[in-house]
Amino acid sequence: QSALTQPPSASGSPGQSVTISCTGTSSDVGGYNYVSWFQQHPGKAPKLMIYEVTKRPSGVPDRFSGSKSGNTASLTVSGLQAEDEADYYCSSYAGSNNVVFGGGTKLTVL
Amino acid sequence: EVQLVESGGGLVQPGGSLTLSCAASGFTSGNHAMSWVRQAPGKGLEWVSGIRGSSSNTYYADAVKGRFTISRDNSKNTLYLQMYSLRVEDTAVYYCAKEPYIGVAGSFDYWGQGTLVTVSS
Repeated sequence: QSALTQPPSASGSPGQSVTISCTGTSSDVGGYNYVSWFQQHPGKAPKLMIYEVTKRPSGVPDRFSGSKSGNTASLTVSGLQAEDEADYYCSSYAGSNNVVFGGGTKLTVL
Repeated sequence: EVQLVESGGGLVQPGGSLTLSCAASGFTSGNHAMSWVRQAPGKGLEWVSGIRGSSSNTYYADAVKGRFTISRDNSKNTLYLQMYSLRVEDTAVYYCAKEPYIGVAGSFDYWGQGTLVTVSS
C-alpha cells in the first residue's frame, strides 16, 4: 500500500492551464479505472473533483479534467482562477478492497 | 441533501481506546460503501478502513489492521470506527466518506467535516 506519487507543488497564472500528475503502479492506477481527484482548501474537508479517471460530479466546473496513461493519471485545470488555489490529492483503487492516496500537490495561483 | 457528521474525537493516552461515529442522512446507507480517511496535522490523506454497503465485509489499511474495527448500523444510518491500542502516530483528523457504489473504490463523493483524535500522554 505505497502512496501514489504527486509533485509537491504546482503553479500558474490566472487564465493559464496547469496539469498535476499522479504516478502509481500496475497494481493501482494502471490496473483500474477508479482514479479520483480531490480538492482541499485549508481547514476544510476534501471535495471530489474527478472520479473514474475522467468523470466530473455535478457542479464541478468543466475547467477541471482528468486523464490516464499507463500508470500515471493527470488532473488538468484550465483557465485558472484564484479560487482554484488549494491542495489536490489523487486516489486509486488498489485491489483487494484497498484504496491509496497520493501525497498531495499544493496548487498556487500566481 | 447528503450529510455526514462525525463525532467522538478527543484526547487519549497512548495505548488507549476511542470510538468514532458518523451519522449519515440524505441517502440509503445500505446501498453505499463507506470509509474512514485520516489526515495527520500538516500531512496528506490516508485511507484507514472501508465497509461495503448492506454487508459486513470490512477492509483495513496495514497501519491499523488488528487495532481498528469498522462497523455500521444501517437501521441507524451510522458508521463507527472503534480504535484500540492507539499510538501517537494515529493523531489525525478522521473523516468519514461515502462512495457512490456499494463497493469500496476510492471515489468518495461526500465527506464529513472531520473529528480530531489526539493521542498523547
